[in-house]
Amino acid sequence: TQLLEQSPQFLSIQEGENLTVYCNSSSVFSSLQWYRQEPGEGPVLLVTVVTGGEVKKLKRLTFQFGDARKDSSLHITAAQPGDTGLYLCAGAGNNAGNMLTFGGGTRLMVKP
Amino acid sequence: KAGVTQTPRYLIKTRGQQVTLSCSPISGHRSVSWYQQTPGQGLQFLFEYFSETQRNKGNFPGRFSGRQFSNSRSEMNVSTLELGDSALYLCASSSVGSYSPLHFGNGTRLTVT
Repeated sequence: TQLLEQSPQFLSIQEGENLTVYCNSSSVFSSLQWYRQEPGEGPVLLVTVVTGGEVKKLKRLTFQFGDARKDSSLHITAAQPGDTGLYLCAGAGNNAGNMLTFGGGTRLMVKP
Repeated sequence: KAGVTQTPRYLIKTRGQQVTLSCSPISGHRSVSWYQQTPGQGLQFLFEYFSETQRNKGNFPGRFSGRQFSNSRSEMNVSTLELGDSALYLCASSSVGSYSPLHFGNGTRLTVT
């Protein structure tokens, strides 16, 4: 069984601060996805990383896939209140179709 | 393009009853996946259907079942409901191809009393 440990579970910061969310596993994933979920809505895909060592940037968000494809991180620079939400990482195994293993989530609150 | 539509949004059932949830994928998407989200366990994969065939199945008891129709719409059924089945049930659709993004609906919140 593949497991994804996500940390921290909760994060409350002031507007303008930087933060990093981590996603770790002992298993290798063919790809790693990051989602953001707001109350009353389904998760929305932010990014997919597929190559070990890959770094992707989405405005103030930087995503990294570990060299061994077992871990990933999400770094937010100069967080804004609009970044508030539940951030989820999800890994896909080989030939797993859309069977994703999700991390437990990081609930982020950015205070103005 | 309309997003993934799940009906109903909210459902209250009693232990022992059964329930059917519905999902209409984005037009053209042939893969539909179902996930259960609870505060304690997070998001867990239930099953995936592609072209009316179950392609993958998660680690849930046989009380949880699903199907997909020729128009790619999908239903999931939970029989003999238990209190622990209370959760947000999310449906996601995707097109074919590696790393095709999942598009989630807003879910059906099921409460079992």
